[in-house]
Amino acid sequence: TQLLEQSPQFLSIQEGENLTVYCNSSSVFSSLQWYRQEPGEGPVLLVTVVTGGEVKKLKRLTFQFGDARKDSSLHITAAQPGDTGLYLCAGHATSGTYKYIFGTGTRLKVLA
Amino acid sequence: EAQVTQNPRYLITVTGKKLTVTCSQNMNHEYMSWYRQDPGLGLRQIYYSMNVEVTDKGDVPEGYKVSRKEKRNFPLILESPSPNQTSLYFCASRSRGRDTEAFFGQGTRLTVV
Repeated sequence: TQLLEQSPQFLSIQEGENLTVYCNSSSVFSSLQWYRQEPGEGPVLLVTVVTGGEVKKLKRLTFQFGDARKDSSLHITAAQPGDTGLYLCAGHATSGTYKYIFGTGTRLKVLA
Repeated sequence: EAQVTQNPRYLITVTGKKLTVTCSQNMNHEYMSWYRQDPGLGLRQIYYSMNVEVTDKGDVPEGYKVSRKEKRNFPLILESPSPNQTSLYFCASRSRGRDTEAFFGQGTRLTVV
């Protein structure tokens, strides 16, 4: 079974702090995607990383794909209350399956 | 507007009473999936479909059925719901390719009593 493990599972921080969320697997992924889900809504795509070692920035969010394409990280600089939500990584492993799997999720709460 | 539409948003039903949750997308996507989301377990795939009349089991298919008679629709059927199927359900669609974005419906919160 291909798994995407995320850590930490929960994170509660003060506004202005920095944080990093990790997404790890023992499988190689052709790409990984990061989504944010807000209460009562479905997940919405933030970014796709495709190349090993790739770094993408989206305002205060920095996404990195591991060199071996088995892991990814999301770093938020100067977190704001609007960043509160559930962050999910997702992707296809390279084993050929068309199953698109999601990570276990990181629930972030940013306090004003 | 590109969207995935699920109905109903909320449903309370009794054990054993057949129900269908509808899902429709207007983006002409080939791939559609159903997920259930439970606390501590994340999003788990129930069934997926790669095109019309092509469906396959995901990780937790027991107790569910799907059909894909038209490209835009992918209903989820619970023939005999049980309390352990109480969950938040999401339908998603994606275009062909391994790196494409998944678009999600707004979810259906199902309670089986």
